[in-house]
Amino acid sequence: DAKTTQPPSMDCAEGRAANLPCNHSTISGNEYVYWYRQIHSQGPQYIIHGLKNNETNEMASLIITEDRKSSTLILPHATLRDTAVYYCIVRQTNTGNQFYFGTGTSLTVIP
Amino acid sequence: NAGVTQTPKFQVLKTGQSMTLQCAQDMNHEYMSWYRQDPGMGLRLIHYSVGAGITDQGEVPNGYNVSRSTTEDFPLRLLSAAPSQTSVYFCASTKGYNQPQHFGDGTRLSIL
Repeated sequence: DAKTTQPPSMDCAEGRAANLPCNHSTISGNEYVYWYRQIHSQGPQYIIHGLKNNETNEMASLIITEDRKSSTLILPHATLRDTAVYYCIVRQTNTGNQFYFGTGTSLTVIP
Repeated sequence: NAGVTQTPKFQVLKTGQSMTLQCAQDMNHEYMSWYRQDPGMGLRLIHYSVGAGITDQGEVPNGYNVSRSTTEDFPLRLLSAAPSQTSVYFCASTKGYNQPQHFGDGTRLSIL
């Protein structure tokens, strides 16, 4: 099963780019990488997902390495409201379309 | 369009009691899932469904039961509540393969 590894915590200055890394070395060729975040104990919020090309939306950019073994979520101009736990997720192939969450990265944006 | 709705938001039970956590989605999504989240941990999959009438176990299914009689609803039943089931429970749905999941706001359950 594909699993992910993320640093447990990171800090970022307000207004700077936040770069959150993720290793998913066992990902298979047809599995997407998803990023979610969770603020306090609210339900996880979808940010972005991708297969092998870099992706960008109004919230963030996703950079996936060519070998697809790692990716980086980029919040281009972090604000205090971006303080949250960020999860890099791949599906577990033996549970249909279901996600393995891991423990994520706790991002603190500092004023 | 309400998305994924979970009820109740909070519940306190006594050990041995049973109850059902409700989850409903109005997006006509085929896939639905239940997760639990313990303090300081990520979400762990309890049960999931890939369509009406089809359910399967996730990572931590013991003590829980599910059914999927309609596309919209996916209730989670605690058969005999135990203190170890104190947790926050999240329901999620997704349109299909390789699509993002949409999460509800959670049910905070305490078992005394």
